[in-house]
Amino acid sequence: DTAVSQTPKYLVTQMGNDKSIKCEQNLGHDTMYWYKQDSKKFLKIMFSYNNKELIINETVPNRFSPKSPDKAHLNLHINSLELGDSAVYFCASSQDHRRGEQYFGPGTRLTVT
Amino acid sequence: DAKTTQPPSMDCAEGRAANLPCNHSTISGNEYVYWYRQIHSQGPQYIIHGLKNNETNEMASLIITEDRKSSTLILPHATLRDTAVYYCIVRVGGTGANNLFFGTGTRLTVIP
Repeated sequence: DTAVSQTPKYLVTQMGNDKSIKCEQNLGHDTMYWYKQDSKKFLKIMFSYNNKELIINETVPNRFSPKSPDKAHLNLHINSLELGDSAVYFCASSQDHRRGEQYFGPGTRLTVT
Repeated sequence: DAKTTQPPSMDCAEGRAANLPCNHSTISGNEYVYWYRQIHSQGPQYIIHGLKNNETNEMASLIITEDRKSSTLILPHATLRDTAVYYCIVRVGGTGANNLFFGTGTRLTVIP
């Protein structure tokens, strides 16, 4: 069974569109994250949710809106996509927000044309 | 969180031990050392972490110097599948805002 799964794996879309990426974890963890890895391979945290509550919100455009319907799911919705949003987006989870052991999903490669 | 310095790349012969160094000279007393790796096109994978004692698990060993200013990740018998970028991260333990900062890491290439 996949511990942290993301859909879709690849997403190609045009500028100005709105898209969502879904993430699910079956580890029973309380905390989930979204990271962005750009073309230079820098991996940077975007958001963190603990028990459906936002606890980290790094400086990202407000076109990015995370949604956590329950603690096993953390979705990322992106409005008005721009070329610079092209990247690989990784979801991760940890047992709670105090632990540094995070478990990552396989990533979603977003290409904006 | 303290900054870490790692060599950009290293090679290791298959079957030999891979020793990946990390400097964290400004580490605080309550900061842990974490190691992750990212195999090409995959999500980062947690390897091991420690505070001051040496640690070992099924994947690797972590050796932390007595002054805690540096550490070494040891993969005892490197295989081709260990080729990856290895990240050394320090963070405060037991606190909220679990923010892992991934630097540039060390690209380890295991050579047949």
